[in-house]
Amino acid sequence: AQRVTQPEKLLSVFKGAPVELKCNYSYSGSPELFWYVQYSRQRLQLLLRHISRESIKGFTADLNKGETSFHLKKPFAQEEDSAMYYCALYSSSASKIIFGSGTRLSIRP
Amino acid sequence: DAGITQSPRYKITETGRQVTLMCHQTWSHSYMFWYRQDLGHGLRLIYYSAAADITDKGEVPDGYVVSRSKTENFPLTLESATRSQTSVYFCASSDPTNTEAFFGQGTRLTVV
Repeated sequence: AQRVTQPEKLLSVFKGAPVELKCNYSYSGSPELFWYVQYSRQRLQLLLRHISRESIKGFTADLNKGETSFHLKKPFAQEEDSAMYYCALYSSSASKIIFGSGTRLSIRP
Repeated sequence: DAGITQSPRYKITETGRQVTLMCHQTWSHSYMFWYRQDLGHGLRLIYYSAAADITDKGEVPDGYVVSRSKTENFPLTLESATRSQTSVYFCASSDPTNTEAFFGQGTRLTVV
């Protein structure tokens, strides 16, 4: 079964502290994974994708096929990082995008 | 305007009524999706479409109907609304060569 799991519903950290949002997936084949973000009163938008291997707004995510994980990390959290974060998987065999249940990140000043 | 738009933005309807949520995109993306966003459940896929006249059920299709007669439109119909369908509904589109999903602004539906 194709599945994306985000175990934390809420993550609260202080400004300047490191952040790690966990994501695990279940997929037979080579997955294409994404992190999407939804800031308050804004549309859901792409933050980064594993194939681009880039850092966006200080966030990085590494695909670990052995652990079937795609955790999102940032070394120093900023208040503007407060948002809802979704991990997502693109299933090429089914032509659909599956999302996790989301993690609300709250950065305390 | 270019992009993906949903209408209405807000809707209150009564139990048992039929209601249609509209989604329109101007990019000619072949893929379109409907999700519902609920606290604790995240985004759950209701229906999706790989092209005009091709639709498939997602995780939670019961009580919903979709159609895709034109590439740019993907309406979602609640045949007989129930209170459990109170949610925020998001439409999205993507292109198979890119796979990034572009989202509409959402429709907040309340069933009373």
